[in-house]
Amino acid sequence: AQSVTQLDSQVPVFEEAPVELRCNYSSSVSVYLFWYVQYPNQGLQLLLKYLSGSTLVKGINGFEAEFNKSQTSFHLRKPSVHISDTAEYFCAVMRSGGYQKVTFGIGTKLQVIP
Amino acid sequence: EAQVTQNPRYLITVTGKKLTVTCSQNMNHEYMSWYRQDPGLGLRQIYYSMNVEVTDKGDVPEGYKVSRKEKRNFPLILESPSPNQTSLYFCASRLRTGEANTGELFFGEGSRLTVL
Repeated sequence: AQSVTQLDSQVPVFEEAPVELRCNYSSSVSVYLFWYVQYPNQGLQLLLKYLSGSTLVKGINGFEAEFNKSQTSFHLRKPSVHISDTAEYFCAVMRSGGYQKVTFGIGTKLQVIP
Repeated sequence: EAQVTQNPRYLITVTGKKLTVTCSQNMNHEYMSWYRQDPGLGLRQIYYSMNVEVTDKGDVPEGYKVSRKEKRNFPLILESPSPNQTSLYFCASRLRTGEANTGELFFGEGSRLTVL
């Protein structure tokens, strides 16, 4: 079975400061990893994904994440946040290849303070 | 425009009154799924469907039914709603197989259900 742990339920950060949202996963096989973002009153949309290859993945809106197999982590980072980044962020994992179930973390609420 | 459409977006109902939340996608995706989102619990899968006439239980199926008679539609049925089904519901779809299948899910905008 696979699982995802998002270590912080809420992260307050000042505007233009850097941010890191932490995600650890558990799986005995190779995986695909995802970060989704949910803006207020909206559905989730894909921010970025890791399938294979380079461990540093760049996504939309200036976000990036690094896959670390040895530490089973996939932390999300942005060097300078904006007010518009205020949202909830979900890390997700799926066993690679064909159909597999996607497991979500409980989410991290990023609050950007002006 | 590629999208997943859910209706209704907001609904208040009473215990025991059957309701259906519709979901439709226009991307020809084989796989569709329903999730509920609750504070502190993240997204939990209710039911999923790998193709027409193929459905299976997710992690929290109790109190829900689904059907998949057409590829594009995947309605969620609450036969006898109870207050513990008050939640935010999301429908999602994706490709199931093939090289283009990267696991990315496409979500609807959500349906907020309140059961009194």
